[in-house]
Amino acid sequence: EDKVVQSPLSLVVHEGDTVTLNCSYEVTNFRSLLWYKQEKKAPTFLFMLTSSGIEKKSGRLSSILDKKELFSILNITATQTGDSAIYLCAVNTGTASKLTFGTGTRLQVTL
Amino acid sequence: SAVISQKPSRDICQRGTSLTIQCQVDSQVTMMFWYRQQPGQSLTLIATANQGSEATYESGFVIDKFPISRPNLTFSTLTVSNMSPEDSSIYLCSVVAPGGYTGELFFGEGSRLTVL
Repeated sequence: EDKVVQSPLSLVVHEGDTVTLNCSYEVTNFRSLLWYKQEKKAPTFLFMLTSSGIEKKSGRLSSILDKKELFSILNITATQTGDSAIYLCAVNTGTASKLTFGTGTRLQVTL
Repeated sequence: SAVISQKPSRDICQRGTSLTIQCQVDSQVTMMFWYRQQPGQSLTLIATANQGSEATYESGFVIDKFPISRPNLTFSTLTVSNMSPEDSSIYLCSVVAPGGYTGELFFGEGSRLTVL
């Protein structure tokens, strides 16, 4: 059975801190790994990673994949209260865009 | 990208009743999916809605409980049948946008169902 595990489950930081969220996976057929941000109900797409060692970056957020060790990290620098959300990691394991999601990391950024 | 509208946004339902959730996309899409997110849990794929044929259900989900329609490339419905409190969840419609990468999903705002 495909499995995606995220850590930590929750995290509280002060505004301005840097955080690292972890995602490890065990799947039979890896195609890509994706990160989503869920603030209320609808997850919004952040990154898709397919190749090891190539960092994807968008503003204060960045992510990298290690296909040998089967994990990815999501970094957020200079956190802001607007970064407070659940961050979901998902793995695409087939040709039909079906995703297996992790349980998410709940990030709370305080003033 | 794709703009996805879901209705209802939320509802409170009585045990034993059924509710149909609608998903409308602003462009024609090939791949459309229905996910469930139970309280405190992550997203679980219920089924892939196939245009013009029966939906493809994931392990643990059956057509009698979650009938799905997909009459065209922009619209789908998910019915939650004979509801019980365990069906209280957020139900999310998602699509791969035209020209989008395989696996890059866009989600509707979700339908939060509470079953009493």
